[in-house]
Amino acid sequence: QVQLVESGGGVVQPGGSLRLSCAASGFTFSSYGMHWVRQAPGKALEWVAFIRYDGSNKYYADSVKGRFTISRDNSNNTLYMQMNSLTAEDTALYYCAKDLITSGTDSYMDVWGKGTTVTVSS
Amino acid sequence: EIVLTQSPATLSLSPGERATLSCRASQSVSNYLAWYQQKPGQAPRLLIYDASNRATGIPARFSGSGSGTDFILTISSLEPEDFAVYYCQQRSNSITFGQGTRLEIK
Repeated sequence: QVQLVESGGGVVQPGGSLRLSCAASGFTFSSYGMHWVRQAPGKALEWVAFIRYDGSNKYYADSVKGRFTISRDNSNNTLYMQMNSLTAEDTALYYCAKDLITSGTDSYMDVWGKGTTVTVSS
Repeated sequence: EIVLTQSPATLSLSPGERATLSCRASQSVSNYLAWYQQKPGQAPRLLIYDASNRATGIPARFSGSGSGTDFILTISSLEPEDFAVYYCQQRSNSITFGQGTRLEIK
């Protein structure tokens, strides 16, 4: 079945870096754009970044622009998020999610992983 | 940035009742709006996209309407499993989510 499994979360000090991964299975990964969405404890969802199916375009929320980099490896069906210069405000559960539309621009998220937790604390 | 404002923040209803949730955009998003359901400890689930299209496997009791700046999610007759938090999301200009409406059992 269609599945997304995130990994790479953990505890990191302010100013530190972390790399998240998302392993995809059950669908043609290379045909769909992918998103990262985060949720701070007790808070609403916040969209973080999107990458087109072929990696040709990437979009970021203003809150992470210049610090986070989304990428993908279509040969290994894996999505990544490199997170640098982390602050306490980045503490959240990070979800990867599949875009609804094949080979399109960013739209909606129809498949979600269970998430991986990032905690930024000294 | 397009701000989505959901109301009410909390809605208290009983099973079998009709639920009406609102999402208002700070500027027109055409029909580029989705609704998600999130239960405690779970990832969100896509319910409605492009304002009124039900996602795969979503029961017919869920319906969406609206365009421009005002949108409604209606649950025609609440089932026990429908009590959750609901978010709207726009894709007209970048992507933003609303702050959520908590639907709780009265």
